[in-house]
Amino acid sequence: KAGVTQTPRYLIKTRGQQVTLSCSPISGHRSVSWYQQTPGQGLQFLFEYFSETQRNKGNFPGRFSGRQFSNSRSEMNVSTLELGDSALYLCASSLGAYVRGEQFFGPGTRLTVL
Amino acid sequence: LAKTTQPISMDSYEGQEVNITCSHNNIATNDYITWYQQFPSQGPRFIIQGYKTKVTNEVASLFIPADRKSSTLSLPRVSLSDTAVYYCLVGDVGDDKIIFGKGTRLHILP
Repeated sequence: KAGVTQTPRYLIKTRGQQVTLSCSPISGHRSVSWYQQTPGQGLQFLFEYFSETQRNKGNFPGRFSGRQFSNSRSEMNVSTLELGDSALYLCASSLGAYVRGEQFFGPGTRLTVL
Repeated sequence: LAKTTQPISMDSYEGQEVNITCSHNNIATNDYITWYQQFPSQGPRFIIQGYKTKVTNEVASLFIPADRKSSTLSLPRVSLSDTAVYYCLVGDVGDDKIIFGKGTRLHILP
């Protein structure tokens, strides 16, 4: 069974640009969560999608958005990039609710904002 | 808001049992407690999840006292490959302020 895949793996952008990251969950998984990981703040929850609906959202500005498609694939978008958005963005999928049971994480997308 | 507190780092030796404690004083009635392991340049990996008392699987045990204000991850007979960051996560469906915390950096020595 294929694991969670994330594309691209690495990305370099400049301030003010926008970026879209993609996540393909494990087949059959309906919940997709996104996290931001930085050395200073650690792992921070961004949002969770379940059956194309955003079910939960962390404490991030509106520049961070996401969506989920009918095949459970998910994208997250960050607009008007800031230097502080440089981070590892992780996607995780699970069968049901993201805090119940096992989440399977992808390898992440390393975003660098210059 | 189920904030968690863990030791920043721990050292141990191969073959020893390692116990990592997580404090979550504000845990809510419906919150579950989950532990993840993360190696450098990889996404976290699920270790174990529990609600109360004791849970054991093939890699670890999770001890949760009756008041559920803390939990202890127990790793039996650790090896060098267990060197990683361990995160305690507390939350429930619909909780939009799930916090992973900074994790515990476990260093296993030969």
